[in-house]
Amino acid sequence: GAGVSQSPRYKVAKRGQDVALRCDPISGHVSLFWYQQALGQGPEFLTYFQNEAQLDKSGLPSDRFFAERPEGSVSTLKIQRTQQEDSAVYLCASSSRRDRLNEKLFFGSGTQLSVL
Amino acid sequence: GNSVTQMEGPVTLSEEAFLTINCTYTATGYPSLFWYVQYPGEGLQLLLKATKADDKGSNKGFEATYRKETTSFHLEKGSVQVSDSAVYFCALNTEYGNKLVFGAGTILRVKS
Repeated sequence: GAGVSQSPRYKVAKRGQDVALRCDPISGHVSLFWYQQALGQGPEFLTYFQNEAQLDKSGLPSDRFFAERPEGSVSTLKIQRTQQEDSAVYLCASSSRRDRLNEKLFFGSGTQLSVL
Repeated sequence: GNSVTQMEGPVTLSEEAFLTINCTYTATGYPSLFWYVQYPGEGLQLLLKATKADDKGSNKGFEATYRKETTSFHLEKGSVQVSDSAVYFCALNTEYGNKLVFGAGTILRVKS
C-alpha cells in the first residue's frame, strides 16, 4: 500500500478483555515501531522490530503487552486483560531499509483504544 | 535520560504572522533532532530534521536550527497560513536510531 495501515481505527473494549491491533507497514520497510499516545501527550515508545526480530521492548508497560512480527512484515500488538489506563491511541511506524538510523519514520493514523 | 520539552499550546495566530514554537532537549551523546507535524485526521509526518550541531533543517517555509550550546531546536516560520493549523511535535533520536523521544506537542491554530 501507499502508507502505513492500521486496523481497526477504533476499538472499544470492556475491562479485562483481550485486544489485538494490526499494523501493515510500507512494503519493504525493515524497521517497525509501536508507540502509545495518551490524550494530550506525545507518543511514547513501546517496541521496535528489525525484520522479524524484536530488538527493543523496553517501552512495553507490563507483561500484558505483547508484540510480534513473525514474517517481518505485518505486526500485531496484543494487550491482555485490558485496563482503563490502557486507553490511548496506538501508533505504528516504519522506516526504509536505506534509512539505517531511522531518521524518517512513516506513521499510520493509529488505533484509538477505549477501555470501559 | 533523554527528554524533550516544548512550549504549551494552543498557539493561536492570524494568517501571515510569525511563528515560533520553542523546544529544548536533554540527551546523552549527540542525538538527531526532528519536528513532526500531525494534521487533523492524519498520521504524524516528518517536517524537518537536523543531525548535528549548527545544522538547519527546513521544509515548507519552516526552519529549525540545532543549538547544542542551548540544547534547543526552536521551530520558526515567517508567515503562517491557515493550512499550517496542526499539532507540532519536537523529537530526538537516540544515537542508534532505535527510539524516538517526543515532546508533548503544541497545537497551532491559524485564523484567516
